[in-house]
Amino acid sequence: ETVLTQSPATLSLSPGERATLSCRASQSVSDYLAWYQQKPGQAPRLLIYDASNRATGIPARFSGSGSGTDFTLTISSLEPEDFAVYYCQQRAKWPLTFGPGTTVEIK
Amino acid sequence: QVQLVESGGGLVKPEGSLRLSCAASGFIFSDYYMSWIRQAPGKGLEWLSFISKSSSYTNYADSVEGRFTISRDNAKNSLYLQMSSLRAEDTAVYYCATVITPSKSYFDLWGRGTLVTVSS
Repeated sequence: ETVLTQSPATLSLSPGERATLSCRASQSVSDYLAWYQQKPGQAPRLLIYDASNRATGIPARFSGSGSGTDFTLTISSLEPEDFAVYYCQQRAKWPLTFGPGTTVEIK
Repeated sequence: QVQLVESGGGLVKPEGSLRLSCAASGFIFSDYYMSWIRQAPGKGLEWLSFISKSSSYTNYADSVEGRFTISRDNAKNSLYLQMSSLRAEDTAVYYCATVITPSKSYFDLWGRGTLVTVSS
């Protein structure tokens, strides 16, 4: 199974700051990686798919990059509603797997 | 309104069975591959199962293979997950989700989830 590792586990930032989240795969997943945002009590929301494509309705401050085993989700300037947990997910190999998540909290 | 609504969760004893349902509305359900994903309390996401539009193809995570069965009824716009031989570690919120396209196994529409608790 392809194991995804996310770092850091927690990111403490202030509104307006830039957030950089990392996802590393145990083997190459090409660019077959997505990012999701989850707020407490809510279902996850798809942000980015195939490493760098924003999903419908996702603001331009969210961007994704990377390929192979190393990926990055960048939030250019944090809005109050962006404080949440972020998960990466790969679709390159079955079973589909998610990373353990990065919590972006208000500093 | 485009939505997925899960139901059927609850408290079940170890080794028991439960059937979850997911009702789709506001879109053409039969056009989408579907999946079940779960989240244990305070934990991350775990993909469980996947079904094609016509039910001709299904796939399962090792953790539920042989115990869980995914199915769908396109006439009723519904997805199901039959769960048996339940264990304490199956306790989680269970989400159904649409798959973007058959060749892109990402999840773009999610339900709000239904909680399954396995305990004696």
